Amino acid sequence: SQQGEEDPQALSIQEGENATMNCSYKTSINNLQWYRQNSGRGLVHLILIRSNEREKHSGRLRVTLDTSKKSSSLLITASRAADTASYFCATDSSGGFKTIFGAGTRLFVKA
Amino acid sequence: NAGVTQTPKFQVLKTGQSMTLQCAQDMNHNSMYWYRQDPGMGLRLIYYSASEGTTDKGEVPNGYNVSRLNKREFSLRLESAAPSQTSVYFCATGTGQPQHFGDGTRLSIL
Repeated sequence: SQQGEEDPQALSIQEGENATMNCSYKTSINNLQWYRQNSGRGLVHLILIRSNEREKHSGRLRVTLDTSKKSSSLLITASRAADTASYFCATDSSGGFKTIFGAGTRLFVKA
Repeated sequence: NAGVTQTPKFQVLKTGQSMTLQCAQDMNHNSMYWYRQDPGMGLRLIYYSASEGTTDKGEVPNGYNVSRLNKREFSLRLESAAPSQTSVYFCATGTGQPQHFGDGTRLSIL
């Protein structure tokens, strides 16, 4: 079963535009993470937001969390061709040993 | 600093064959994980090891076994491979969050 579900499944934008991806989840969480995966590579952690936080920034990334709606969004500002990748949200479960991943959003940034 | 190393990177098996996927980490983390990634499914947890000497089932453990050989190494074994096990397998490590991933093993079973 998947805890997180990303929306949209795929997104194509021009370089310089902003990209917004959304994630919804089903149960209470301790934290929510966003990962990036380049083609043929493993996942790389981007940012973690705790359940008591509402917004977090890291460089060109902005993450919001709304626990009342069980949703999060990832905004990438001023996108670059190098941002082309799949982006996954992930949430923790009981005991903190199991991280549950969504199916991902495929982002394509055209130069 | 290699982080998480998976071997092999690619493998083709025939149905019924067995093989072991290897994973080693140099990050001194207690916890290690095995996931499979299928198109449109995200990552699903197969097994995890919270610490050396312990292993537990994840979401999709059937058809797999694991061994936590020591703190650094966590192997995944397919005893009798089936076409449904064609996937990309990722090993990860991390004490709590976040997790750090290897680059995967692409496994095809004919």
